[in-house]
Amino acid sequence: ETGVTQSPTHLIKTRGQQVTLRCSSQSGHNTVSWYQQALGQGPQFIFQYYREEENGRGNFPPRFSGLQFPNYSSELNVNALELDDSALYLCASPSKGPGIEQFFGPGTRLTVL
Amino acid sequence: EDQVTQSPEALRLQEGESSSLNCSYTVSGLRGLFWYRQDPGKGPEFLFTLYSAGEEKEKERLKATLTKKESFLHITAPKPEDSATYLCAVRAYNNAGNMLTFGGGTRLMVKP
Repeated sequence: ETGVTQSPTHLIKTRGQQVTLRCSSQSGHNTVSWYQQALGQGPQFIFQYYREEENGRGNFPPRFSGLQFPNYSSELNVNALELDDSALYLCASPSKGPGIEQFFGPGTRLTVL
Repeated sequence: EDQVTQSPEALRLQEGESSSLNCSYTVSGLRGLFWYRQDPGKGPEFLFTLYSAGEEKEKERLKATLTKKESFLHITAPKPEDSATYLCAVRAYNNAGNMLTFGGGTRLMVKP
């Protein structure tokens, strides 16, 4: 049990629509990262939020955006959905201890038709 | 640009047949190398962090080792429940925040 939860579990959208995915961490850590994992591939870094501000982004267009709230829960928003956006979306929170590892939530499976 | 390559892409073993998974990496200043296990449709589960060449970590039937260019995940006498995808990731000192760069994973299937 990582203490990182995500909702919803599954989501089906059509091309051009917008979607919001949610993440929360029991630890209340002030850093959260989002990753996209296409089928059969490793996760790819989308962006990270620290104290409610984005402080790192991978190679993803601006239609991928996020929010982090004062309670350190987070949202990932994707506008103008494309078929290639179909993937497992993961959020991650750092270790509460001295290690630098990240702990992942169960993911949200997004299907774009 | 940081790169991580895992081999083989897929590995089939008989129960009890030991083997190793490889993770080759290129990174400008390694802060840490991580191994995760991922079951189908679920999030990655943390296994190990390795920080410097020569370091080793063990957990049950798994042992992770690190050199300056690669890491190995050794599986001793695997059981069917060890079947999963094993992911390797690196974090560099110059990366934004906590960014991890992942390899494509090795799908391990252990037959009884």
